[in-house]
Amino acid sequence: EDKVVQSPLSLVVHEGDTVTLNCSYEVTNFRSLLWYKQEKKAPTFLFMLTSSGIEKKSGRLSSILDKKELFSILNITATQTGDSAVYLCAVHSGNTGKLIFGQGTTLQVKP
Amino acid sequence: DAGVTQSPTHLIKTRGQQVTLRCSPISGHKSVSWYQQVLGQGPQFIFQYYEKEERGRGNFPDRFSARQFPNYSSELNVNALLLGDSALYLCASSLIPGTYEQYFGPGTRLTVT
Repeated sequence: EDKVVQSPLSLVVHEGDTVTLNCSYEVTNFRSLLWYKQEKKAPTFLFMLTSSGIEKKSGRLSSILDKKELFSILNITATQTGDSAVYLCAVHSGNTGKLIFGQGTTLQVKP
Repeated sequence: DAGVTQSPTHLIKTRGQQVTLRCSPISGHKSVSWYQQVLGQGPQFIFQYYEKEERGRGNFPDRFSARQFPNYSSELNVNALLLGDSALYLCASSLIPGTYEQYFGPGTRLTVT
């Protein structure tokens, strides 16, 4: 059965800290891996990764994919209270574009 | 450009009733997917539609159905509501199915009492 596992499930840090969120997967017919940030309702798209070893960056956020070891990491440097959210990892499976989500990592950044 | 829109925002229904949720994709996007998110969990895939045809279905009972209209908007219907159907229902749109990013709407919060 396809599955996506995120760790840790929750994390509390202080402003300025650097955090690393993990996502491992076992999915047939892998197409891509996506990261989303969910604050209240709608998950907001962060990154889509399709190739191993190529880092994607957006400001203080960066992510990389390892297709051999079947995992991805999301790094957030110099965290701010506005980074507090649930971070979701999802894997795109098959031709239909079905996304298989992990449970999410709840990040709390304290002032 | 407007993002993905969903209506209604919140909904309270009684067990056994039926509900219809609506979604309009981003302009130019032709594929719509529906997800159910129970509190504390990641979203679960329900359906994907492209060009008015069902392209994928998750592990949900036949009480769940959906359709897509010529303007690419979509409706999700749930019959014979159960307490366990209480969740946030999310709609996502993408250009086409496949390896394109999916963008989510704000969701409809359904409470079944």
